[in-house]
Amino acid sequence: NAGVTQTPKFRVLKTGQSMTLLCAQDMNHEYMYWYRQDPGMGLRLIHYSVGEGTTAKGEVPDGYNVSRLKKQNFLLGLESAAPSQTSVYFCASNKGFGAFFGQGTRLTVV
Amino acid sequence: KNQVEQSPQSLIILEGKNCTLQCNYTVSPFSNLRWYKQDTGRGPVSLTIMTFSENTKSNGRYTATLDADTKQSSLHITASQLSDSASYICVVSERYGGSQGNLIFGKGTKLSVKP
Repeated sequence: NAGVTQTPKFRVLKTGQSMTLLCAQDMNHEYMYWYRQDPGMGLRLIHYSVGEGTTAKGEVPDGYNVSRLKKQNFLLGLESAAPSQTSVYFCASNKGFGAFFGQGTRLTVV
Repeated sequence: KNQVEQSPQSLIILEGKNCTLQCNYTVSPFSNLRWYKQDTGRGPVSLTIMTFSENTKSNGRYTATLDADTKQSSLHITASQLSDSASYICVVSERYGGSQGNLIFGKGTKLSVKP
């Protein structure tokens, strides 16, 4: 039982490049989330999903897209990366009893 | 609007001392409240989870309390250690979906334990 796994753990992108972050959970949780955390700040919700095939916008969705084609996976895409998207990204899953978090992806856009 | 407010924003204590962190919430309908510890550069890790009917729960040197009537929770850390230095986040779950996917985050309390 791995819990919540994020890949990759680190990535450096050039401005304008695209990439996809993968979040996988093996706990059969319905809810999955993507957050970003900037230095000294709290977690901010980007997008979330309440089940397979559904997604919804969070607090800071601009510049990101998501997909939940399979219940266990939640993908976060950056179509055209910008320096403002430099951050640490956390994925989480939840079945109504609080969230379990991945270890984070540190993304730098230069 | 559903909100979770934590205090203090930051706290410095000496090793071996006790401290208490506060969390007030206005989330309704309430499902549960979790306290998380987040070390720098790491994902949050759950310390305790409390439902409506529970008013205290311990995890080692961490003891959380919940007053569902006043919508307040506290996290008490006993005999602090240097490794307790971290951010402590209070997260309240709504009973149903809501606009934030049912999780409402506090902004956290940054605790520094000094030798």
